[in-house]
Amino acid sequence: RKEVEQDPGPFNVPEGATVAFNCTYSNSASQSFFWYRQDCRKEPKLLMSVYSSGNEDGRFTAQLNRASQYISLLIRDSKLSDSATYLCVVIPNSGSARQLTFGSGTQLTVLP
Amino acid sequence: DAGVTQSPTHLIKTRGQQVTLRCSPISGHKSVSWYQQVLGQGPQFIFQYYEKEERGRGNFPDRFSARQFPNYSSELNVNALLLGDSALYLCASSLYQSGNTIYFGEGSWLTVV
Repeated sequence: RKEVEQDPGPFNVPEGATVAFNCTYSNSASQSFFWYRQDCRKEPKLLMSVYSSGNEDGRFTAQLNRASQYISLLIRDSKLSDSATYLCVVIPNSGSARQLTFGSGTQLTVLP
Repeated sequence: DAGVTQSPTHLIKTRGQQVTLRCSPISGHKSVSWYQQVLGQGPQFIFQYYEKEERGRGNFPDRFSARQFPNYSSELNVNALLLGDSALYLCASSLYQSGNTIYFGEGSWLTVV
């Protein structure tokens, strides 16, 4: 079983749609959670951290469910510029190394 | 301010050769990590260096090695290249060993033929 699993998609949605991605992680001791965005042939960039209380940044909402070990990302009112691969990222524990464990990514295409 | 810079951006090597990739972290950042991203997959952790010492190592063979210099820049070396080493190699820097945002460079695209 992979440490972090995501639905690879692709998700093709019209502009203005709401889309949700889920991600599950296997290590219950994981401490930190993030969503990264990666454009084609570019480096990953931090989209947002994910907190147990849930957090929102504009059109983006992230949720963490520790009991079920899953993380979600909701994008409202999708824009063409949201087209990218979204990577779920977990830091396995609070140990010394800052090791990010990535899922394989979910590809989103927003259509005009 | 300059972000994380990596060189070279693209390179082609032959099986069995050796390659050295270079990374300069954001000014003031003391931690450098290396990741390998094969096409269609998420990045995989290779190494983390902090204050010139190895602080973490992923599940990669001994053909992969790295070091960090006094100015906190870093090199990743891969010996005896295999076709499967073809990937995007990403360098990431952060201020400290843990607890900070990590910033990625644009990566080095390695093709092994």
